Amino acid sequence: KNEVEQSPQNLTAQEGEFITINCSYSVGISALHWLQQHPGGGIVSLFMLSSGKKKHGRLIATINIQEKHSSLHITASHPRDSAVYICAVPALNTGNQFYFGTGTSLTVIP
Amino acid sequence: ETGVTQSPTHLIKTRGQQVTLRCSSQSGHNTVSWYQQALGQGPQFIFQYYREEENGRGNFPPRFSGLQFPNYSSELNVNALELDDSALYLCASSLGTPGLYDELSYNEQFFGPGTRLTVL
Repeated sequence: KNEVEQSPQNLTAQEGEFITINCSYSVGISALHWLQQHPGGGIVSLFMLSSGKKKHGRLIATINIQEKHSSLHITASHPRDSAVYICAVPALNTGNQFYFGTGTSLTVIP
Repeated sequence: ETGVTQSPTHLIKTRGQQVTLRCSSQSGHNTVSWYQQALGQGPQFIFQYYREEENGRGNFPPRFSGLQFPNYSSELNVNALELDDSALYLCASSLGTPGLYDELSYNEQFFGPGTRLTVL
């Protein structure tokens, strides 16, 4: 069993749709990352959150520490949002070592 | 302030060969972590270096080794390459305090663009 599970694995949406990607984890954490990886490999950190909700533009991330669950929402999706979205958690007492989900591959069709 | 850089971008090797991948940390960062990402998978932790010492290792064999230099740049070396070593290798730097993790001490990791290694 993976420490971090994401769903769905693949997602295709029409431009403008509201998108939700889910992440569940089993290890103890104090914060969770949502990362974006474009074709070619570069990874960009979107959010780091430890409670509640954070919003950046059309992206919203929520986390429920008690339920060990987080969601990433994209409102009014656009083709440039097409990427792989990865949930990652740094395990407690291990410094900055991460467990990663397998990622959700999002394709937004014009 | 420069970001994390990696070299080379792409590399093709044959089975049994050895490879060295390089990572330059973001300015001021003292911790480097290396990850292997197979096609269609999430990154897997290889090891982490903090102030030139290895600070934690994932489930990778000893033929995966590393170094961190006084300027905090880092190398990943892989000996006796196998076909399954074909992957994207990512490094990430941070200003870390390994061994003490909580929200206050945690510092965000910044990822490099990766090196795509193909083993034939």
